[in-house]
Amino acid sequence: DGGITQSPKYLFRKEGQNVTLSCEQNLNHDAMYWYRQDPGQGLRLIYYSQIVNDFQKGDIAEGYSVSREKKESFPLTVTSAQKNPTAFYLCASSIVGLAGSSYNEQFFGPGTRLTVL
Amino acid sequence: AQSVSQHNHHVILSEAASLELGCNYSYGGTVNLFWYVQYPGQHLQLLLKYFSGDPLVKGIKGFEAEFIKSKFSFNLRKPSVQWSDTAEYFCAVNGEGTYKYIFGTGTRLKVLA
Repeated sequence: DGGITQSPKYLFRKEGQNVTLSCEQNLNHDAMYWYRQDPGQGLRLIYYSQIVNDFQKGDIAEGYSVSREKKESFPLTVTSAQKNPTAFYLCASSIVGLAGSSYNEQFFGPGTRLTVL
Repeated sequence: AQSVSQHNHHVILSEAASLELGCNYSYGGTVNLFWYVQYPGQHLQLLLKYFSGDPLVKGIKGFEAEFIKSKFSFNLRKPSVQWSDTAEYFCAVNGEGTYKYIFGTGTRLKVLA
């Protein structure tokens, strides 16, 4: 089945440690995204990538880093600089449409719930 | 600033009641519009989308939405809700020619059996 895999489902880390969240897709999509979902705040964009070896900051990139070395993979690192890292993290992907715009819908993974103790 | 507003944060309805969830956006250009649903314990999934053409779009499970350009709105409707519609609903906007999607804060719908 085609889809997006995020692992692990639940992740616990001690304060001050960096942690990397995995996101893999086999949909052959060019664009990939990371969102953070907090109650009452909807989805907020952390980083996105239109193509391999290229990515842009979203609205809340501080304290996070990403890489895009392969089309199917877009890992997110939550660094110790992120002041409030406990949250639900969602990865998404979409097709890049004509003229470079991503006009198709996004497909989402199941999410990773990160708790920093 | 670009934004999406969902005015109803929590909605409680009885089965068979009609549903309308509001969505207004602020964006200075052509937009693509989406409604997503997140059922308890499940992935976010697409309900419906609007790119162009008929402003009344139909989606899965009997949902529909109407794009009113003059009002910058894309309200979601369903004539008769079911208990299984209990979920969180998100409106999203994508500016034409951009990769960013802007999401609203979501509306939690609870349908009483």
